[in-house]
Amino acid sequence: AQKVTQAQTEISVVEKEDVTLDCVYETRDTTYYLFWYKQPPSGELVFLIRRNSFDEQNEISGRYSWNFQKSTSSFNFTITASQVVDSAVYFCALSEAVTNAGKSTFGDGTTLTVKP
Amino acid sequence: DTEVTQTPKHLVMGMTNKKSLKCEQHMGHRAMYWYKQKAKKPPELMFVYSYEKLSINESVPSRFSPECPNSSLLNLHLHALQPEDSALYLCASSHGGLETQYFGPGTRLLVL
Repeated sequence: AQKVTQAQTEISVVEKEDVTLDCVYETRDTTYYLFWYKQPPSGELVFLIRRNSFDEQNEISGRYSWNFQKSTSSFNFTITASQVVDSAVYFCALSEAVTNAGKSTFGDGTTLTVKP
Repeated sequence: DTEVTQTPKHLVMGMTNKKSLKCEQHMGHRAMYWYKQKAKKPPELMFVYSYEKLSINESVPSRFSPECPNSSLLNLHLHALQPEDSALYLCASSHGGLETQYFGPGTRLLVL
């Protein structure tokens, strides 16, 4: 069965610090997709990134970067020089191509608080 | 345009009321989803429509009744809800099951 674990329930940092949010997943499928979403207090889930299981290239987008390692089944998310506006709940999600196709499994989320 | 709209933003209803939540997207997506999210929890999938047909029902109680009138619209009809049904209800859409889901802002439902 697919499973996503975000071990960090809450993280608090001071503005301009770097912070890494961990995501570990379990799946038996060889084809799958991983996602990160941001949920600010307003409630809407905002899509950040999608990565398929065959693409292990790390990605950088501005202050955001993602480290995908199949060997450790991890898809970690780093925010560089954090800002107060980064405060939100961040969810990692997994979609399997065969088993449970059509469904996304979300981790429990990590609440990030960035203090000025 | 990656916008999914939901109405109403907030809804308060009694246990005997009948109400409906609405969701709309104009991205040409063929899959639409309803999720329920309780405070400090991840979204829980309720229903999936694919090409306007119900493809996944996650054993949701019959007091929740989804409807997909056309490819752009998704409704969730509510009847005889319980206080524990109070939650944020999120709609999402995507091109397909493995594609990125784009979420609406949600409807905050309070059942009294």
